Amino acid sequence: KNEVEQSPQNLTAQEGEFITINCSYSVGISALHWLQQHPGGGIVSLFMLSSGKKKHGRLIATINIQEKHSSLHITASHPRDSAVYICAASKGDSNYQLIWGAGTKLIIKP
Amino acid sequence: DAGVIQSPRHEVTEMGQEVTLRCKPISGHDYLFWYRQTMMRGLELLIYFNNNVPIDDSGMPEDRFSAKMPNASFSTLKIQPSEPRDSAVYFCASSRDRYHEQYFGPGTRLTVT
Repeated sequence: KNEVEQSPQNLTAQEGEFITINCSYSVGISALHWLQQHPGGGIVSLFMLSSGKKKHGRLIATINIQEKHSSLHITASHPRDSAVYICAASKGDSNYQLIWGAGTKLIIKP
Repeated sequence: DAGVIQSPRHEVTEMGQEVTLRCKPISGHDYLFWYRQTMMRGLELLIYFNNNVPIDDSGMPEDRFSAKMPNASFSTLKIQPSEPRDSAVYFCASSRDRYHEQYFGPGTRLTVT
């Protein structure tokens, strides 16, 4: 079993739908990262969080430390949100020992 | 800031040749990371530096791979000799310190024929 599991692996939705991507981890972590990789290949860090909730525009990330679970939500989804979303867990007392999830491929249809 | 800069963006080479990938981190960032991404294995950390010093190279696949960071603004990842199984996208990332997020470069797509 992978230490970081994401679901779903693939998600197709219509423009405007509320999107949720889940990430569960089985190890002790210091932080949980959400990243976005566009079809062109570039990787962008969206959030780094160790507790509670963070919001940036239409993106919201939450984490429940007790349940070892994090979610990434996209409100009012748009075709430009189509990308692979990756969660990664920081193991230990720093951010460099990242354990990567397999990614969720999101397609938003107009 | 221009972000993390990598060159070349694409590299096609023949098996047995030496390949050098280059990275310029964001100014002021003390940590630099080299990753490899393949369809089969996803993102893998190869090596990371702190203040130009290699800290953990346990992810370097074999002796054919080497990485250097001669100063705070430049790092190289070298593969010699290259093999077809080295074909992948290689990303460089940097972070301010070990408690902050990593910023990724655009990647170098390496194809070894």
